[in-house]
Amino acid sequence: GDSVTQTEGQVALSEEDFLTIHCNYSASGYPALFWYVQYPGEGPQFLFRASRDKEKGSSRGFEATYDKGTTSFHLRKASVQESDSAVYYCALGRPNTNKVVFGTGTRLQVLP
Amino acid sequence: GALVYQYPRRTICKSGTSMRMECQAVGFQATSVAWYRQSPQKTFELIALSTVNSAIKYEQNFTQEKFPISHPNLSFSSMTVLNAYLEDRGLYLCGVWGNQDTQYFGPGTRLLVL
Repeated sequence: GDSVTQTEGQVALSEEDFLTIHCNYSASGYPALFWYVQYPGEGPQFLFRASRDKEKGSSRGFEATYDKGTTSFHLRKASVQESDSAVYYCALGRPNTNKVVFGTGTRLQVLP
Repeated sequence: GALVYQYPRRTICKSGTSMRMECQAVGFQATSVAWYRQSPQKTFELIALSTVNSAIKYEQNFTQEKFPISHPNLSFSSMTVLNAYLEDRGLYLCGVWGNQDTQYFGPGTRLLVL
């Protein structure tokens, strides 16, 4: 079945550092790929999505590129801020089945 | 934009009692609603997928007898946790498919069981 792997459980950075959170998926065909961000006490908020090979999604300075060759959708941001501290989830979805599979999440802590 | 509301945000119930939670979509049609549970040690567990005018599909380890769901129209869904016990603690989320084939989530209902 479909699955999503996030290798980093936690990431600690200083403000203005470059961020990479790795996401790899296992699925047939071309599933839609998503990034969500979850702040304490809240539900996951949609960041962006991509659904075709080489398509780049972006929002709020975050970006990721759909790479079918490496089955990856790594999240990057050039300069993080303390307000970016949250848990980030990579997810895979198939709209025709209305199902979404989530990775285990990466907790980002940005120190001032 | 797509907005999903959940009520209550937080609830405490005694072990063995039941509680009902609600999910409302504003600004788009909630043709399909997915209910998830997020536990402290686990990521998102899909409980069931509810589609208007179709049977509700429960995932393995979740049953209608334990988590009955109502989805009467295109903007509202509710789920009840019957006979709640400690293992039912967690953040219950509803996810609604909206524009651009994206699932939007509510803020969740946090269930504490005493």
